[in-house]
Amino acid sequence: GAVVSQHPSRVICKSGTSVKIECRSLDFQATTMFWYRQFPKQSLMLMATSNEGSKATYEQGVEKDKFLINHASLTLSTLTVTSAHPEDSSFYICSARDRAGPLHFGNGTRLTVT
Amino acid sequence: DQQVKQNSPSLSVQEGRISILNCDYTNSMFDYFLWYKKYPAEGPTFLISISSIKDKNEDGRFTVFLNKSAKHLSLHIVPSQPGDSAVYFCAAEYGNKLVFGAGTILRVKS
Repeated sequence: GAVVSQHPSRVICKSGTSVKIECRSLDFQATTMFWYRQFPKQSLMLMATSNEGSKATYEQGVEKDKFLINHASLTLSTLTVTSAHPEDSSFYICSARDRAGPLHFGNGTRLTVT
Repeated sequence: DQQVKQNSPSLSVQEGRISILNCDYTNSMFDYFLWYKKYPAEGPTFLISISSIKDKNEDGRFTVFLNKSAKHLSLHIVPSQPGDSAVYFCAAEYGNKLVFGAGTILRVKS
């Protein structure tokens, strides 16, 4: 089945620094990837839709200047959390769709901002 | 506004019995429904899906039922196995967007 790889799985950073999370589709090309965020004991919330070769589409309430998304190729999207604050600590998950199939998810990145 | 609701935060079932996980939705524009399974610190894994034009889809031990008039879907797992213990998310799709429920923790006791 389709595989989505996400890296790193865990990252701890200091307040004010930036963190980059990578999402790769390993055996298929994805013109669109999706970034989700999960708070403890809550559902996955869609943050933004990453489009290859164009700007990302952000959901209401998500700061695009804080969560920078770059979809540089058909197999790679990156999410950069800029000037991270402790409230940005969360579980970030990317996903992609292989043609018309269901969304497949990466294993997520646990971000802790100290 | 919660468009997809899983009202049971947890469910405990004996091994070998049936597990029934429920999900309700409010947006009649949803045309595709999915169930995902998730272990802690991992991404969700796709389990089974159903199109809005169907009322049942079966895959091995997993069956999803859709009742459009009631805006309700359910996932049946039979027989339940200890390895099925995880968080199960119901998701509904419209256009290119997937909306998730809050999840139900399933514990299968041996």
